[in-house]
Amino acid sequence: AQSVTQPDIHITVSEGASLELRCNYSYGATPYLFWYVQSPGQGLQLLLKYFSGDTLVQGIKGFEAEFKRSQSSFNLRKPSVHWSDAAEYFCAVGGGTASKLTFGTGTRLQVTL
Amino acid sequence: DTAVSQTPKYLVTQMGNDKSIKCEQNLGHDTMYWYKQDSKKFLKIMFSYNNKELIINETVPNRFSPKSPDKAHLNLHINSLELGDSAVYFCASSPDSGGGYTFGSGTRLTVV
Repeated sequence: AQSVTQPDIHITVSEGASLELRCNYSYGATPYLFWYVQSPGQGLQLLLKYFSGDTLVQGIKGFEAEFKRSQSSFNLRKPSVHWSDAAEYFCAVGGGTASKLTFGTGTRLQVTL
Repeated sequence: DTAVSQTPKYLVTQMGNDKSIKCEQNLGHDTMYWYKQDSKKFLKIMFSYNNKELIINETVPNRFSPKSPDKAHLNLHINSLELGDSAVYFCASSPDSGGGYTFGSGTRLTVV
């Protein structure tokens, strides 16, 4: 069965500081990996995705993530956080075509000024 | 142009009522989904349709019935609503080419 673990429920960083959100997955085949962001009262916006190829993927809003097969991880990073990045972040794994996404429990990011 | 649109955005109703949530996508995607987000923000798949055929049906009470009149629409009908059905319901779609999932803005259902 596929699963996603986001070990950090809540993270607080100062504006301008770097950020890394952790994600570990379990999947029986080649995974499709995603990071989504959800602002309060809003829907889910796709930040980036990994299907194959280069293990470092770039996304929107200055985010990037690195796929490490040996560690079953897909951590999200940003070199300098902005106050507007405060939101809930979800990592998800799926099998691609017409398959379901399994989400982690999310990490709430708080940004202090 | 909204890619995946859901209506209504908010729905407040009494226990025992029947209600529907509509979803439409204009992306030409082949597969559509319903996800439920509970009060702890946990997202779980409920149903998935591919070209109007049901392909995923997770452990969901049979009070919930999805209907897909065509590839661009996936509606969710809920009978005999219960307090525990209160949640945010998200519709999503994805192409068969595996390009990723696009989510609607959600429908917040409150059962009183």
